[in-house]
Parts: sequence; structure tokens; C-alpha cells
Amino acid sequence: KAGVTQTPRYLIKTRGQQVTLSCSPISGHRSVSWYQQTPGQGLQFLFEYFSETQRNKGNFPGRFSGRQFSNSRSEMNVSTLELGDSALYLCASSLEASYRNEQFFGPGTRLTVL
Amino acid sequence: QQQVKQSPQSLIVQKGGISIINCAYENTAFDYFPWYQQFPGKGPALLIAIRPDVSEKKEGRFTISFNKSAKQFSLHIMDSQPGDSATYFCAALGGSNYKLTFGKGTLLTVNP
Repeated sequence: KAGVTQTPRYLIKTRGQQVTLSCSPISGHRSVSWYQQTPGQGLQFLFEYFSETQRNKGNFPGRFSGRQFSNSRSEMNVSTLELGDSALYLCASSLEASYRNEQFFGPGTRLTVL
Repeated sequence: QQQVKQSPQSLIVQKGGISIINCAYENTAFDYFPWYQQFPGKGPALLIAIRPDVSEKKEGRFTISFNKSAKQFSLHIMDSQPGDSATYFCAALGGSNYKLTFGKGTLLTVNP
């Protein structure tokens, strides 16, 4: 069974640009969560999608948005990039809503903002 | 507000020794406490998890100890091996909160 895949694996952007990251969950998983990982703040929850609906959102500005498609694939978008957005962005999938269900993480997308 | 506090930040252990990582939480609504292991270049992977109805859970060399009254839980790695060298994160989830709240992580180095 294939794991969670994220594309691209690495990305370099400049300030002010926007970026879209993609996540394909494990087959049959309907919940996708996104996390930002930085050395200073650790792993921080961005949002969770279940059946194409955002179920929960973390404390990030509106520049961070996401969506989920009918096949459970998810995309995350960051507009007007700032230097502080440089991070590893992780996607995790679970069978149902992430609550009480094991989350399986992808390898992440390393975003560098110059 | 850091809801899950993890210590130490880094830990060096000799091969065969015991590695101990501690976490404390504040939100009494948390009722699921997983530990994740992350190797460089990889996403975190679930190692072991516990619910507060038990005080200890063991899986192979990995044991979680849970103290509900103190709101603390810890990971013990017995007979630590160089292959255990990784970053370990404790996390908590519960109540109406659908998101995992992570500790800041512990970088474990097991020397041969």
C-alpha cells in the first residue's frame, strides 16, 4: 500500500510569490491534515480536511489556505510569501477524521523563501 | 501557550542504555497521547500511543508511562541502539479539538 505522497519535495520561492503544495493520502483515507515544521516552533497544525470540508483550523493567517478534492487529494496554498514561511510542510492522512485515528505522515515539502 | 511541554531538547545515550523523554500537558480534555519518531528527511511516524485509562503500555523496547494526576507521560527506550537516533515528538489530542498538539521534540543520539 503506497504511503502519503507530497509534491514537490523541495521548492524555492521569493518573497511576495505564492505557492501550492500537493498531498495524496493513502488510498481509502478521507482525512488530510497539514502541519508546518520549523526549528523554532516545532510542528504546528495548519488545518484538516475531511470529505472536502475544512473541519479544523490552526492559528495561521489567512494567507494559508487549503482545499480537498473528491478523491481526497489535498492542496495547500500560501499567498504573499514571507521569509518566515520557510519550513517543512507536512501532510498527514487518516481513515476518518483525525480525532482518535492514527495519522500517517508524508515526507514533506521543504519550502525555502528567499 | 505551549500545551505540551517536552524535555530534554537533546539526549545522548550509549548503546544499550535507557533513553527517557518526558512530556507534560495542561489540557485535561486530552485523552490520546502518541509518540512520533522522525528521521532526517522523513515525516514523523507513529511509534506508540496510550490512552489515559492505562498507566503503562509497552511495545518491544518502547514503553510509555502515563501519570494522569500529574498530567505527565514519558517514553522509555530500553537497550537503546544507534538506529534509534532520531527526533522524538510527544503529542496530545482530545476533547473537541481535532488537531494533534506536539511537543517541541527531543533529538536522541545513541552512541555505538
